[in-house]
Amino acid sequence: DTEVTQTPKHLVMGMTNKKSLKCEQHMGHRAMYWYKQKAKKPPELMFVYSYEKLSINESVPSRFSPECPNSSLLNLHLHALQPEDSALYLCASSRGLPSYEQYFGPGTRLTVT
Amino acid sequence: ILNVEQSPQSLHVQEGDSTNFTCSFPSSNFYALHWYRWETAKSPEALFVMTLNGDEKKKGRISATLNTKEGYSYLYIKGSQPEDSATYLCAPRILGSARQLTFGSGTQLTVLP
Repeated sequence: DTEVTQTPKHLVMGMTNKKSLKCEQHMGHRAMYWYKQKAKKPPELMFVYSYEKLSINESVPSRFSPECPNSSLLNLHLHALQPEDSALYLCASSRGLPSYEQYFGPGTRLTVT
Repeated sequence: ILNVEQSPQSLHVQEGDSTNFTCSFPSSNFYALHWYRWETAKSPEALFVMTLNGDEKKKGRISATLNTKEGYSYLYIKGSQPEDSATYLCAPRILGSARQLTFGSGTQLTVLP
């Protein structure tokens, strides 16, 4: 199974809402990643977890809060987002760090109203 | 911030044509280069990981070459098919930041039947 799954596929939320994005993999990978992708731009790294510990935070605003409850799951908690945070949020995983290959999920399309 | 350039930005070819595009990156502190294919509404799919100067990789009708001394990689598609239509992204990794991928803006390929 080389699949990374993400839920939900689409999410619309208001600026005062709290929501979470979920990512799951069952490949035994020990590194997991969150990327943000705006239209016509490349994916930008947000967070990296290695062995369930936060390894990289690319100066992401605190309204985004990642969580890695176990080696198969990665969450991104969202609170008090702004309309400019509307984007495609991609999750990826790899065997470890540094990784030779990252496997991506299909993404969650987030719209903040 | 790593400067990664891909050209052309977009490309339309006829079915059966062969095509190629370029990824340019800083040649210093090179660690690895990844190529991904990203079809609309799907997950980015890893094509190649290249590490050595002069590397050539092949997967079916798609191949790639790497020149780490001058900082570029070419992706070739022989006999393009409509199913090759996708955005092709390159992502170099450098020493000191080998844990993360920095994506180029991609080349959007459309193969016309």
